[in-house]
Amino acid sequence: DTGVSQNPRHKITKRGQNVTFRCDPISEHNRLYWYRQTLGQGPEFLTYFQNEAQLEKSRLLSDRFSAERPKGSFSTLEIQRTEQGDSAMYLCASSLEGPLYEQYFGPGTRLTVT
Amino acid sequence: QKEVEQDPGPLSVPEGAIVSLNCTYSNSAFQYFMWYRQYSRKGPELLMYTYSSGNKEDGRFTAQVDKSSKYISLFIRDSQPSDSATYLCAMSNPGANNLFFGTGTRLTVIP
Repeated sequence: DTGVSQNPRHKITKRGQNVTFRCDPISEHNRLYWYRQTLGQGPEFLTYFQNEAQLEKSRLLSDRFSAERPKGSFSTLEIQRTEQGDSAMYLCASSLEGPLYEQYFGPGTRLTVT
Repeated sequence: QKEVEQDPGPLSVPEGAIVSLNCTYSNSAFQYFMWYRQYSRKGPELLMYTYSSGNKEDGRFTAQVDKSSKYISLFIRDSQPSDSATYLCAMSNPGANNLFFGTGTRLTVIP
């Protein structure tokens, strides 16, 4: 399977714990995006990488959130001191570089904070 | 006001019906328009992608963009039960690095 993969698929954690998610993009894609989707809503942009550089962060990305893409391949998204409001589906997408970009999404990581 | 508005439905149609899904938007800078299909508890899957105004057809699916009205549509002909999913519109402007999504319309095609 050469699509975007995400792990874990599901994560249940207690409030206050830290969690980390991983995204493996399509191998030739140098752009990688993180989105958050809550129930009944469309995905909302969190952050974007071009290769290993994090070029844009949304206001939604509070200081408890940190994302990395150390070698320009896979990426991790860490949430520290989780809150119940962090419960959502966290989606990763990747694309090629260029003026016309089609973003391809992974299956998402569903986070439940109890 | 959200930048992208989409009726959340739900929408139920009989098998074989023509389905019309729509989004409106407020940002006149949007140039790229996409439709994604999302099955329950899965990631969005890209269906159609259009640039600027006009129509694009792919099999049973037709995407239309009317920039003068800030209105986009997705038509599904001969709808099938396997088309039952949430359909998300998404759009972006040149130079932007993220997509702006509608809330999604939940579609059920009844056999």
